[in-house]
Amino acid sequence: EPEVTQTPSHQVTQMGQEVILRCVPISNHLYFYWYRQILGQKVEFLVSFYNNEISEKSEIFDDQFSVERPDGSNFTLKIRSTKLEDSAMYFCASSSGTANQPQHFGDGTRLSIL
Amino acid sequence: QKEVEQNSGPLSVPEGAIASLNCTYSDRVSQSFFWYRQYSGKSPELIMSIYSNGDKEDGRFTAQLNKASQYVSLLIRDSQPSDSATYLCAASPYTGNQFYFGTGTSLTVIP
Repeated sequence: EPEVTQTPSHQVTQMGQEVILRCVPISNHLYFYWYRQILGQKVEFLVSFYNNEISEKSEIFDDQFSVERPDGSNFTLKIRSTKLEDSAMYFCASSSGTANQPQHFGDGTRLSIL
Repeated sequence: QKEVEQNSGPLSVPEGAIASLNCTYSDRVSQSFFWYRQYSGKSPELIMSIYSNGDKEDGRFTAQLNKASQYVSLLIRDSQPSDSATYLCAASPYTGNQFYFGTGTSLTVIP
């Protein structure tokens, strides 16, 4: 069964540094998403991406964050000037359509900011 | 009111029993509903989706939707220890495509 893959599985970074989290969505999906989950808290939406542009973003997704689809398969989340509170599990998801279609999640990247 | 609310539990049921998980939602997120299972430290795994009022069955799982009461539930029949996980309710809005997740209900199935 097709799946969303994410790398790395765990990223440890010093506060203030930049990180790039990578995702390969399911190949025939058109909509891509990033969510985060702080330990013990709920899954929170960050951003959705369609047709090479951001279609929706949450209040969390400020100027510190950016997304990119650099080629036909990868979808990346860049976090600049990382802060301690950015420590969380970051999940990439993809879907074949919009709101009525299930979103399929990758295994996540655990980001630890020191 | 939060978009999606769940009782965080924990919910414990004996092996073989029916586990009932509940979720309520606000007017803002009333289009489509999804149940995900999340094992500790792992990603959400889609179990079921439901879009219209009534019941939808898939194996041991039954999702129930009542739009008048803004209520969606998941029943797990013949619960197994491997069903022990956190169950996340998610809903999508009429406009936009983000999912709103509840805080999840922790289920433990006791052998």
